[in-house]
Amino acid sequence: DAGVTQSPTHLIKTRGQQVTLRCSPKSGHDTVSWYQQALGQGPQFIFQYYEEEERQRGNFPDRFSGHQFPNYSSELNVNALLLGDSALYLCASSFSGGFYEQYFGPGTRLTVT
Amino acid sequence: KQEVTQIPAALSVPEGENLVLNCSFTDSAIYNLQWFRQDPGKGLTSLLLIQSSQREQTSGRLNASLDKSSGRSTLYIAASQPGDSATYLCVLGGNQFYFGTGTSLTVIP
Repeated sequence: DAGVTQSPTHLIKTRGQQVTLRCSPKSGHDTVSWYQQALGQGPQFIFQYYEEEERQRGNFPDRFSGHQFPNYSSELNVNALLLGDSALYLCASSFSGGFYEQYFGPGTRLTVT
Repeated sequence: KQEVTQIPAALSVPEGENLVLNCSFTDSAIYNLQWFRQDPGKGLTSLLLIQSSQREQTSGRLNASLDKSSGRSTLYIAASQPGDSATYLCVLGGNQFYFGTGTSLTVIP
């Protein structure tokens, strides 16, 4: 049983560019949440997707957007990249019919230069 | 806004000791509380999930408790081992998901 997978593993972008990160949830899961973890900090909740819609959102600007596909996979898009967007981006999946126990992927390390 | 604090921020113990990590939160309107460990440069590994209606959960050498009325959760690790060295995070699930500040644990052989 594959767990949560994320791609790419590492990414280097230039300030002002746009980036798309991808996440495939654990088999049987229908809910995907995205987090940003800056170096030395705890993860910060960005948003959660369920039934292809954004259900909850943390305190992040509109430059951060997402999408969930019918197969429950998800994308995180960040526009107009800033140096401060450099971080580890974590995806977590859970099952809405359970108790929302979250399973995390290995993360995508984004570096903005 | 939910504030989640973990004490201590760092802890160093000799192998074999029992230890307790603390997680405090300000809003008791939570759906669940989950404890994770994170190894350097890696993702998060789920350790235990406590539903809001539960008081504790156990898995092997780990025991987690939840007291919503006092806004506290504890993670008890019995007979610590060097492989337990990691950062431990509590996460509160409610309208959003809130991570604690983390406790960095080092178990010395």
